[in-house]
Amino acid sequence: EAQVTQNPRYLITVTGKKLTVTCSQNMNHEYMSWYRQDPGLGLRQIYYSMNVEVTDKGDVPEGYKVSRKEKRNFPLILESPSPNQTSLYFCASRSNGELFFGEGSRLTVL
Amino acid sequence: GIQVEQSPPDLILQEGANSTLRCNFSDSVNNLQWFHQNPWGQLINLFYIPSGTKQNGRLSATTVATERYSLLYISSSQTTDSGVYFCAVPNSGGSNYKLTFGKGTLLTVNP
Repeated sequence: EAQVTQNPRYLITVTGKKLTVTCSQNMNHEYMSWYRQDPGLGLRQIYYSMNVEVTDKGDVPEGYKVSRKEKRNFPLILESPSPNQTSLYFCASRSNGELFFGEGSRLTVL
Repeated sequence: GIQVEQSPPDLILQEGANSTLRCNFSDSVNNLQWFHQNPWGQLINLFYIPSGTKQNGRLSATTVATERYSLLYISSSQTTDSGVYFCAVPNSGGSNYKLTFGKGTLLTVNP
């Protein structure tokens, strides 16, 4: 089954404790991206990747890092999380113009 | 950038009723997607519909790209249809493929 898988789905952490949200797709898509969704602000793009070792900033990249060492994986790294990064995060991959989203990761930073 | 407007913002239905959700966009697009965000937050692809009409069970969608709108029809609604419905269009130009989302229609289907 074609899918985008994110982990963890839910996480409560504390300020400053590094964390990684993994994202994996099994559709051999070249393009992947990360979004965050916040009430009243909709979905905003954090980072995107056009292919292996090719990444670039989206609209709200501050406080995040990404890497793309393999085509299937695109992890989102929060080096020193802060409460304003409490949000619902979505990973996505694209094929022929259609975007496929993961199930979302709800992150709370205390 | 491109503007996407959805209407109505909120909609309450009795189970079994039909509804039409609208998505207007400010510029020409080469594709459009409809998503359903369920109460658990999951974004589910409903339709990828650059133009024309598609149907999937009780749901169908029509995009009239020349007039810059798309419609999502829900027939015989069920309580499981509740949630937020988003339409999204790609940004134009550049190498970054990013979707611009409308603010959504919050649908509540009561039993």
